[in-house]
Amino acid sequence: QVQLVQSGAEVKKPGSSVKVSCKASGGTFSNYAVSWVRQAPGQGLVWMGGIIPIFGTTNYAQKFQDRVTITADESTSTAYMELSRLRSEDTAVYYCARGGWGSGTYCQHYYSYMDVWGKGTTVTVSS
Amino acid sequence: EVVLTQSPGTLSLSPGERATLSCRASQSVKLAWYQQKPGQAPRLLIYGTSSRATGIPDRFSGSGSGTDFTLTISRLEPEDFAVYYCQHYGCSPTFGQGTKVEIK
Repeated sequence: QVQLVQSGAEVKKPGSSVKVSCKASGGTFSNYAVSWVRQAPGQGLVWMGGIIPIFGTTNYAQKFQDRVTITADESTSTAYMELSRLRSEDTAVYYCARGGWGSGTYCQHYYSYMDVWGKGTTVTVSS
Repeated sequence: EVVLTQSPGTLSLSPGERATLSCRASQSVKLAWYQQKPGQAPRLLIYGTSSRATGIPDRFSGSGSGTDFTLTISRLEPEDFAVYYCQHYGCSPTFGQGTKVEIK
């Protein structure tokens, strides 16, 4: 049973960047999509973007388009999410999740369900 | 962007009662449902609108099509009190704002 192991909590200054990792343990990402979802304190879930490692294709939510970069290293079954120009509103728990995908009509690949989740990485942005 | 509206915001019920959660989409979509407990990651319950994920008890069921969807919990167990989110499939998936199912 694959598990997603995320990197540890981070405390960052406004204006800096953070890079969170997500490693598949006991399996790989092969033929799955990897999404990044964040949750601010007391708030709901927000999809930030994703990658399909076998193709290397990425989709980003418009809200984060200019600040987020998602990559994956298939050789180590690790995905990464880097968020730049951090502000206090980026304080949140960041989750990676493995899931399904399909060939899209309006985009190359669409993202479907997310069936395996990491435990989350808390990122605190504070001066 | 597809907007998902969940209702009600909070559902106050007793163990053993039936829970009916609604998710309405701004355009025709396919849906997944998740359960989240405090301090935990979300857990997939339903995918493809009505298929139960692995290990999910059969008291959970999903239905609907197009823009109107329902998650039903036939008889609430103590461990079912949590927040539930719907999420649509897409190029840029979004989540509903969540429905909290609390103990009455």
